Amino acid sequence: EPEVTQTPSHQVTQMGQEVILRCVPISNHLYFYWYRQILGQKVEFLVSFYNNEISEKSEIFDDQFSVERPDGSNFTLKIRSTKLEDSAMYFCASKWMDSFQDTQYFGPGTRLTVL
Amino acid sequence: EDQVTQSPEALRLQEGESSSLNCSYTVSGLRGLFWYRQDPGKGPEFLFTLYSAGEEKEKERLKATLTKKESFLHITAPKPEDSATYLCAVPPNTGNQFYFGTGTSLTVIP
Repeated sequence: EPEVTQTPSHQVTQMGQEVILRCVPISNHLYFYWYRQILGQKVEFLVSFYNNEISEKSEIFDDQFSVERPDGSNFTLKIRSTKLEDSAMYFCASKWMDSFQDTQYFGPGTRLTVL
Repeated sequence: EDQVTQSPEALRLQEGESSSLNCSYTVSGLRGLFWYRQDPGKGPEFLFTLYSAGEEKEKERLKATLTKKESFLHITAPKPEDSATYLCAVPPNTGNQFYFGTGTSLTVIP
């Protein structure tokens, strides 16, 4: 069964460093998302991406964040200068078509620890 | 502001003891309600989508129902392997992202 994959599973970084989180969405999906979940809190939307551009973003997704689809399979989230409060699980999700009725499928997550 | 609220926060059941989890929402004009299961340290795993009041979906020991204000996830005769956090999510009025509830952490004791 097709699935969303994410690498690395755990990333430890120093405050102020740049990190890139990688995702491979399900192959025929067209819409891609990043969410984050701080320990013990809700899953929160960060950004959605379609047709090589951002379609929606939340207040959390400030200038420190960027997303890219560098090739036909990968979808990345970059955090330019990490802060302690960026420590969280980051989930990538994808769905097939532009409909609220279409299910988003989530990857296993990357645990980001900022020291 | 659109909100999704889940209750209870935590639920401990004996194996075989049926119960229900609640998800209430204040999104105006519901466009779908999604249930996910999340195991510790893992991503949300899709369970069900409900679109209109009165709709029901079933999968093994789980049944999801939807009214105009809330959804219930009924667990019948649960087993220890049903232990997980159950999340509900709804899209807002416009846009395709999800608003998630805080989840219900279910523990089923053998």
